[in-house]
Amino acid sequence: DSGVTQTPKHLITATGQRVTLRCSPRSGDLSVYWYQQSLDQGLQFLIQYYNGEERAKGNILERFSAQQFPDLHSELNLSSLELGDSALYFCASSVERSLNNEQFFGPGTRLTVL
Amino acid sequence: AQSVTQPDIHITVSEGASLELRCNYSYGATPYLFWYVQSPGQGLQLLLKYFSGDTLVQGIKGFEAEFKRSQSSFNLRKPSVHWSDAAEYFCAVGASTGGFKTIFGAGTRLFVKA
Repeated sequence: DSGVTQTPKHLITATGQRVTLRCSPRSGDLSVYWYQQSLDQGLQFLIQYYNGEERAKGNILERFSAQQFPDLHSELNLSSLELGDSALYFCASSVERSLNNEQFFGPGTRLTVL
Repeated sequence: AQSVTQPDIHITVSEGASLELRCNYSYGATPYLFWYVQSPGQGLQLLLKYFSGDTLVQGIKGFEAEFKRSQSSFNLRKPSVHWSDAAEYFCAVGASTGGFKTIFGAGTRLFVKA
């Protein structure tokens, strides 16, 4: 158990819909990262937050957005969903601001878009 | 641009045999390198990391990796593979230019045969 929790574990929805994925980091970790893992794209870094502020952006679509709240939990919002958005979405957390340190991954949320 | 290449999509080894998973990176400065393991249905777990110092680093579960700057490589090794090592392995580099992010390779899936 990494200490990072993600809800829900599974999510099935239809194209065009909007969903919210939630992540609670390990106690004491200020950084939260979101990743998308699909069979054809592999593991893709989406976005990082540090203590409530956006810190780094990766291959995140404009239809996707994220935020980190004062209690440090984070939410990833996916809108206008397409079939290709079906994937595993991982959240990770770490202590430091830079990414040159260990990230602890949650168990993931499996999103299926029908 | 920073990148990580894992040339082998999948590898099959016999239980008890030695293992080497290849990883090549492209990064202008001194890299921060990681190996993660992902067991089926789970998130990624850090095996080991290299920041500086001794180029041979030891990790958990009996794994080690060697950083070779001249070859831009960070190969993962294990002298004797156990069936429980069957998983997907990701090499990653921590990049600190243009914002902090971690770049993952495409992964190598390890199969262990009895």
